[in-house]
Amino acid sequence: GAVVSQHPSRVICKSGTSVKIECRSLDFQATTMFWYRQFPKKSLMLMATSNEGSKATYEQGVEKDKFLINHASLTLSTLTVTSAHPEDSSFYICSAREGTSMGPQHFGDGTRLSIL
Amino acid sequence: SQKIEQNSEALNIQEGKTATLTCNYTNYSPAYLQWYRQDPGRGPVFLLLIRENEKEKRKERLKVTFDTTLKQSLFHITASQPADSATYLCALDLDNYGQNFVFGPGTRLSVLP
Repeated sequence: GAVVSQHPSRVICKSGTSVKIECRSLDFQATTMFWYRQFPKKSLMLMATSNEGSKATYEQGVEKDKFLINHASLTLSTLTVTSAHPEDSSFYICSAREGTSMGPQHFGDGTRLSIL
Repeated sequence: SQKIEQNSEALNIQEGKTATLTCNYTNYSPAYLQWYRQDPGRGPVFLLLIRENEKEKRKERLKVTFDTTLKQSLFHITASQPADSATYLCALDLDNYGQNFVFGPGTRLSVLP
C-alpha cells in the first residue's frame, strides 16, 4: 500500500530556532501534498496544499513566511517552521495523494514539535 | 460558512455490537465524502470513500451511507471489536477539485470487551 514517511517524529528545540519537517511518499508519486496541524483532542486543521513544482496554497490565517513549504519533487515536500516560538508547538501531519482529486490521502505519522 | 459536525466526541459500545457514527455538514454540496481512522499519536488512515450518487458503500465490517438531502453520512462498524477503538474522522473536499479538505472533529470510539 501507499506509504508516507514523515521525519522527524519528534523535535524539541529552543525558541527562535527554525525546524524543517520532511514528508516523503515512498512507493508512489504524490501530485498533491497537504500539511495539517492538530491540537490535542482536536481535528486536523489544513494549513496548506502544495502541488509539485508550484507554490503552496495557504489557508486563511496561516502565515506563509512563517511556515515555508517546498514541494520540489513528486516524492518530497518539506515544511520549515521559521523562528519557532512556544505557540508553534503542535502536532504537524503531512499527507500525500496520487492521481485523481478524489483519491485518498495517505498520511505520515506526524511530527510532535515542542518549542521551549 | 461550511461546517462539519460529528455526532459525539466520544462513543462507548460493547464488543459485538454495531457502532454508528454520524457526520453532518451544512452549506455545502460535496461530490464525495471520505472516512478515516486515527489512532493516538499516528496519522489518519483512509477507510472508505463514497460518492454523491452512491447510497451505500461496504468494506468488510464497515458500511458507509451518504444522504445528500439530509447532508449526512453514517459510518457503521458491525460486530465491533476492541481493536476498532480509535478516533474516526469524516472529511469533505470543499471545492471538489481535491485542493481544499476539511475534516470533522472526530468521534473517539471505545469498544469495551
